[in-house]
Amino acid sequence: QVQLQESGPGLVKPSQTLSLTCTVSGDSITFVNYYWSWFRQHPGKGLEWIGNIFYSGSTYYNPSLKSRVTISIDTSKNQFSLNLRSVTAADTAAYYCARGLAAALIDYWGQGTLVTVSS
Amino acid sequence: QSVLTQPSSVSAAPGQKVTISCSGSSSNIGNNFVSWYQQLPGTAPKLLMYENNKRPSGIPDRFSGSESGTSATLGITGLQTGDEADYYCGTWDSSLSSVVFGGGTKLTVL
Repeated sequence: QVQLQESGPGLVKPSQTLSLTCTVSGDSITFVNYYWSWFRQHPGKGLEWIGNIFYSGSTYYNPSLKSRVTISIDTSKNQFSLNLRSVTAADTAAYYCARGLAAALIDYWGQGTLVTVSS
Repeated sequence: QSVLTQPSSVSAAPGQKVTISCSGSSSNIGNNFVSWYQQLPGTAPKLLMYENNKRPSGIPDRFSGSESGTSATLGITGLQTGDEADYYCGTWDSSLSSVVFGGGTKLTVL
């Protein structure tokens, strides 16, 4: 059974960097066909794609966030990570890591973690 | 404003049928597969339908999907109270080079 678990601070100060890690169990992050992805959901709002990364290290980002986002992968730990720079209150959201079979075809999701941006 | 357009809410009685529409354009639904997700309150989304009309293992055949032109539809028959959730359509948008979603539809089973 594939499981994904987000970890990281639940509170980040404005202008700082939001950093989250997703630990994958029950599957190898090195499988070539998977889209290892990050999404977020603002309180009471819909889903927003942040970006994804492949085992090779290739990344694709939401154009609206691209200038502030970096997604990286650590195959030795079976983890992938999200860094979102220069955060503001508008980045307060539940952040989900996920496994995709295609960019918009997500078959496994983490439980999500709420990150609040506040001083 | 979401790229894909869904009704904000739908409702029906237990046992009845409901459809949820998802409208887009040629750059997204018109040329890419649609997925549907169910999000129960306080939980992560769950894949309900992929490639327009395919159900993942474990999803009952009460759920169906279709696509025509630049729109997609999710159908749910034999409504149960446990189906109360938010439903999202999603796909790739070739012009935006981004995954896009509808704003979500809240299903109420009266």
